[in-house]
Amino acid sequence: GAGVSQSPRYKVAKRGQDVALRCDPISGHVSLFWYQQALGQGPEFLTYFQNEAQLDKSGLPSDRFFAERPEGSVSTLKIQRTQQEDSAVYLCASSFRRGASNEQFFGPGTRLTVL
Amino acid sequence: DQQVKQNSPSLSVQEGRISILNCDYTNSMFDYFLWYKKYPAEGPTFLISISSIKDKNEDGRFTVFLNKSAKHLSLHIVPSQPGDSAVYFCAASATNAGKSTFGDGTTLTVKP
Repeated sequence: GAGVSQSPRYKVAKRGQDVALRCDPISGHVSLFWYQQALGQGPEFLTYFQNEAQLDKSGLPSDRFFAERPEGSVSTLKIQRTQQEDSAVYLCASSFRRGASNEQFFGPGTRLTVL
Repeated sequence: DQQVKQNSPSLSVQEGRISILNCDYTNSMFDYFLWYKKYPAEGPTFLISISSIKDKNEDGRFTVFLNKSAKHLSLHIVPSQPGDSAVYFCAASATNAGKSTFGDGTTLTVKP
């Protein structure tokens, strides 16, 4: 089925490298969310898009993190000058309706390891 | 300060019995709550939700109860099946917000 897909599934980066993580949401879904999940913890909100507009980026941990969704479909999360504390699973989710108060469909995540 | 807490990291029940997973929240602005289930190496999958205007929502074997005064919700699974073994996350959001706040999850093991 046409679920949410993310690529790459696994990424190993050397400290200081830039990485780009891609999310392909379900076609027609208005809302797109990025989360960071550390081992043994729940997903932590990073940012929210409604179509191409980034309406909430309060969860981005630093200015090294940047997300975009230029045409309101595919989204990219970019992390510049990666640090070891950036190692986590990055989850993308999409939703047919606006806002977080709706069922979200998650991708399988990208596991980022920073050495 | 964790606004959504799942105080039991793990729960083990016998097949056919009831599983009760609990979740507490502190933010009074939260008015919509969801439960997700997660298998290893997969993203979370939506299970059931409840709005703050209700105190109960049922879907097959799954029922969510909301106690607004206690800022507490629970997920009941009856009867539990081995395939229900997974990590369960509670999530909360406020109307019109883009942000969801998740708990740290409870690992449910259902023994045959």
